[in-house]
Amino acid sequence: DAKTTQPNSMESNEEEPVHLPCNHSTISGTDYIHWYRQLPSQGPEYVIHGLTSNVNNRMASLAIAEDRKSSTLILHRATLRDAAVYYCMTRMYSGGGADGLTFGKGTHLIIQP
Amino acid sequence: DSGVTQTPKHLITATGQRVTLRCSPRSGDLSVYWYQQSLDQGLQFLIQYYNGEERAKGNILERFSAQQFPDLHSELNLSSLELGDSALYFCASSTRVFSTDTQYFGPGTRLTVL
Repeated sequence: DAKTTQPNSMESNEEEPVHLPCNHSTISGTDYIHWYRQLPSQGPEYVIHGLTSNVNNRMASLAIAEDRKSSTLILHRATLRDAAVYYCMTRMYSGGGADGLTFGKGTHLIIQP
Repeated sequence: DSGVTQTPKHLITATGQRVTLRCSPRSGDLSVYWYQQSLDQGLQFLIQYYNGEERAKGNILERFSAQQFPDLHSELNLSSLELGDSALYFCASSTRVFSTDTQYFGPGTRLTVL
């Protein structure tokens, strides 16, 4: 799994879009990009994952750079409930050898009302 | 609610003791993972079980062990406890063992070793 780099913290205002960046310059061709988040006093929660194309789901969008060396998690309209630590990680595709997730320090997202 | 349950929610014990943490995965999930979250080490993967068999080991100490039972629930046993074992312990489950499978995390067990 490639090493990822994220800002320690970011601040945004409620109901505004938030763009959370992640660098993964050593990513290999079969590595997927995953995002999880951890709300205060809760276990981590899956947000989104992708390989090459941009991905959308009900929680967020994932924009992946053409060279795949970076990606951005987009929360289209942040609410106070989105305040959490967001973790970006890469995972080599495996059909039978997958193991635990490797969490870095993540980005602490602060939402101002 | 992820569908993963963990008991107990809190556990306070003394150094040298042994405790057992329990996890019930989401209905239908065959894979169970254990993680430890401490202030200085962050979230770390400990061990994974799939359908009753150990699949992968992370940074798990020899004093710690786990198992997954036929009904797929899992237990993490921590023995000869030290002050440094105080942490949040999370269990997660996934359907299979593909690396793209989403892992669903439980609410955690907070262990305090005095």
